[in-house]
Amino acid sequence: EPEVTQTPSHQVTQMGQEVILRCVPISNHLYFYWYRQILGQKVEFLVSFYNNEISEKSEIFDDQFSVERPDGSNFTLKIRSTKLEDSAMYFCASSEAPVGVLGPLHFGNGTRLTVT
Amino acid sequence: TQLLEQSPQFLSIQEGENLTVYCNSSSVFSSLQWYRQEPGEGPVLLVTVVTGGEVKKLKRLTFQFGDARKDSSLHITAAQPGDTGLYLCAGGGGGFKTIFGAGTRLFVKA
Repeated sequence: EPEVTQTPSHQVTQMGQEVILRCVPISNHLYFYWYRQILGQKVEFLVSFYNNEISEKSEIFDDQFSVERPDGSNFTLKIRSTKLEDSAMYFCASSEAPVGVLGPLHFGNGTRLTVT
Repeated sequence: TQLLEQSPQFLSIQEGENLTVYCNSSSVFSSLQWYRQEPGEGPVLLVTVVTGGEVKKLKRLTFQFGDARKDSSLHITAAQPGDTGLYLCAGGGGGFKTIFGAGTRLFVKA
């Protein structure tokens, strides 16, 4: 069964450094997302991406964050200057259709980001 | 702001017991999803419920969507250690985002 793949599985970085988290969504999916889960807390929406542009973003997704689909397969999340509170599990997801009946999310296994 | 409240937060039971977990909201959702999450992995979709009053079965798991489409339940019959995990309900938050409940962490003892 096709799956969403994320790399790296674990990233440790120092505060103020830039990180890029990478994802390969399911190939025939059109909608791409980043979610994060701080340890012990809810899965939170960060951003959705469709037709090569951001379709929606949350208040968490401030100017430090950006997303890109540099080619036909990869989808990346960049954090420009990491803060301690950015430490979390970051999940990439994709769907065939907008979320809802036809568009359940398919998640990758996440990247655990630790900012020291 | 749409919120999904799940209860209980934690449940520890013996193998063979039945259990029900709940997902409640004051908002109406066009559909709700149930996901299961294992440690160190992403959530995996179990089911989507769409119609008020709908009941869906997945082997020993029974999912129900409330008549008013504001709540849902997950019932597990004869729980097994393999059912251990975090069960999340989720629904469309308007637009492109999905909002998640905090989850019910289930532990089934052999």
